Amino acid sequence: AQTVTQSQPEMSVQEAETVTLSCTYDTSESDYYLFWYKQPPSRQMILVIRQEAYKQQNATENRFSVNFQKAAKSFSLKISDSQLGDAAMYFCAYRDGARGSNYKLTFGKGTLLTVNP
Amino acid sequence: EAGVAQSPRYKIIEKRQSVAFWCNPISGHATLYWYQQILGQGPKLLIQFQNNGVVDDSQLPKDRFSAERLKGVDSTLKIQPAKLEDSAVYLCASSARLAGGLTDTQYFGPGTRLTVL
Repeated sequence: AQTVTQSQPEMSVQEAETVTLSCTYDTSESDYYLFWYKQPPSRQMILVIRQEAYKQQNATENRFSVNFQKAAKSFSLKISDSQLGDAAMYFCAYRDGARGSNYKLTFGKGTLLTVNP
Repeated sequence: EAGVAQSPRYKIIEKRQSVAFWCNPISGHATLYWYQQILGQGPKLLIQFQNNGVVDDSQLPKDRFSAERLKGVDSTLKIQPAKLEDSAVYLCASSARLAGGLTDTQYFGPGTRLTVL
């Protein structure tokens, strides 16, 4: 079974600075997807960024980028120029990509990010 | 485009009572998921529907939980009777079905926070 590990229960960053959240995963599959979701106190899970395992290029969405190391099974999220609105719980998630697979998301336990003004 | 709708947002019940949650997915999304998120943890899949058929319910406590998806659109998740350990946020998500049988990114609703006393 696939597992996702987020080793940092909490992180903090100063406004306008950069922070990196860590995630490792375990799978025997070669075709899969990785995601970072943000969950603010409103509880709405919001997709931040997505990475296909077959793509070597790291995904980027504005101030958010990932460092995807497939051999090391590592998938970290970098937030640049942190803003107060970035404060939330961040979840790393894994999904099988093969056709006919379940497509369910397996989540880590989350990292609570605090942004200090 | 309207997002995933869920109701109610909050529910407080006594143990051994019954409760039902409702979810309306994004229009046209064939796949619907119910996740349970216990405080301090990542969401865990309870059940997945493809149209109105069940794809995966391996983590659903079938002695007390049931779910249905009416006509492949709305879905209802029921707990009867509730236990203290059912206190959690129940998240509904939906995704589109792509060509070739693949499925797209999951989009989440705001969740229902259940408290069992």
